[in-house]
Amino acid sequence: QVQLVEAGGGVVQPGGSLRLSCAASGFTFSYYGMHWVRQAPGKGLEWVAFIRYDESNKYYADSVRGRFTISRDNSKNTLYLQMNSLRVEDTAVYYCAKISGPGRDYYYMDVWGKGTTVTVSS
Amino acid sequence: DIQMTQSPSSLSASVGDRVTITCQASQNISNYLNWYQQKPGEAPKLLIHDASNLETGVPSRFGGRGSGTDFAFTIRSLQPEDIGTYYCHQYNNLPPTFGQGTRLEIK
Repeated sequence: QVQLVEAGGGVVQPGGSLRLSCAASGFTFSYYGMHWVRQAPGKGLEWVAFIRYDESNKYYADSVRGRFTISRDNSKNTLYLQMNSLRVEDTAVYYCAKISGPGRDYYYMDVWGKGTTVTVSS
Repeated sequence: DIQMTQSPSSLSASVGDRVTITCQASQNISNYLNWYQQKPGEAPKLLIHDASNLETGVPSRFGGRGSGTDFAFTIRSLQPEDIGTYYCHQYNNLPPTFGQGTRLEIK
């Protein structure tokens, strides 16, 4: 079955960097666009970034543009989120999610991973 | 950005009750509206896509309706396992946005 497993979270000081990964299995990863969505403690869901299946288009939330970079390695079935210049307000559980429908430029999330926790604190 | 106004923010109901959550978009989003359920400590789960289409494997007591700017999500007969937080989500425009969530509890 479709499975997404995030990793790479941890505790980092403000201004620091982290690289999250999302290992995909159970579907043809290279056919599907992927999202990152985050959830601050006790808060709602906030979309972070999207990457098209072939990496030709990438979109970012205003709150992370210029600091975060989404990428993927289709040969490794893995999605990444490079997070630089981290701020306290980036503290959240970060989820990766696949879109419903292969070959689309942008679409909604249907399956989500369990998430990885990022804490930005001095 | 499209704002999604979801209500109520919390809801307490009895087993067997009919429960309705509403979501209003700040502009026309056609039917590009989904509903997700998030149980405590878990990832969101897609229940309804394109306003009214039940995701495969989701119980038929869940339903959705609406188009344009006004949408509703209904649980026909509330079950104990339905506790959690429910979110509406629009994907008509980038950035995709979510409602603030409705926390559902059992009385």
